[in-house]
Amino acid sequence: QSVLTQPPSVSGAPGQRVTISCTGSSSNIGASYDVHWYQQLPGRAPKLLIYGNNNRPSGVPDRFSGSKSGTSASLAITGLQAEDEADYYCQSYDTSLSGWVFGGGTKLTVL
Amino acid sequence: HVHLQESGPGLVKPSETLSLTCTVSGGSISRFSWSWIRQPPGTGLEWIGNMSRSGRTNYNPSLKSRVTISADTSKNQVSLRLSSVTAADTAVYYCARDTLVQGISGVWFDPWGQGTLVTVSS
Repeated sequence: QSVLTQPPSVSGAPGQRVTISCTGSSSNIGASYDVHWYQQLPGRAPKLLIYGNNNRPSGVPDRFSGSKSGTSASLAITGLQAEDEADYYCQSYDTSLSGWVFGGGTKLTVL
Repeated sequence: HVHLQESGPGLVKPSETLSLTCTVSGGSISRFSWSWIRQPPGTGLEWIGNMSRSGRTNYNPSLKSRVTISADTSKNQVSLRLSSVTAADTAVYYCARDTLVQGISGVWFDPWGQGTLVTVSS
């Protein structure tokens, strides 16, 4: 059971917009800790996608965006492409555990 | 450009100690904090622990009694030891750099090594 809760799967057709939620609590996201997102392509290591809730590292397309409100965060992907098919993970800090925590991951399928 | 490479035995017997090394190139390990993260087959990511620039360590409470993270600055390497392993410790183990920026609360992991699969089996 992950500290941060994500839907196990989402799907969308090419060109569509999808969102992935990340729900935490008052000991992590709600404690004003920022949320970061990673993309993990099949058989590859995770790659940083969004840091500090809504910042994209150099090289990440602006089709990817993040937001945070209260005890939750969201990752949005617009103009869905086949290459976006991957697992996506959110990450933050938890004061109760005194450590970094991840969501359980969401598998994105491009139909 | 910083590059991380994990190495170590791919097979460890139950009750023994798992030992992995992360070799960092393109930058000194003394300038940053470094984490170990694992991913059991078909499941999600779990932060194991980290070592700060000052050498201070922090561990996941669920693994704290079995984990040791250390650094060898002469070799630019960060190491992980996990004792008394069981089949539940079978996972891909990643090392990653802890990154933080003023104005953003918390740390994120970038870059990551490619990971190394460790199987616990007799």
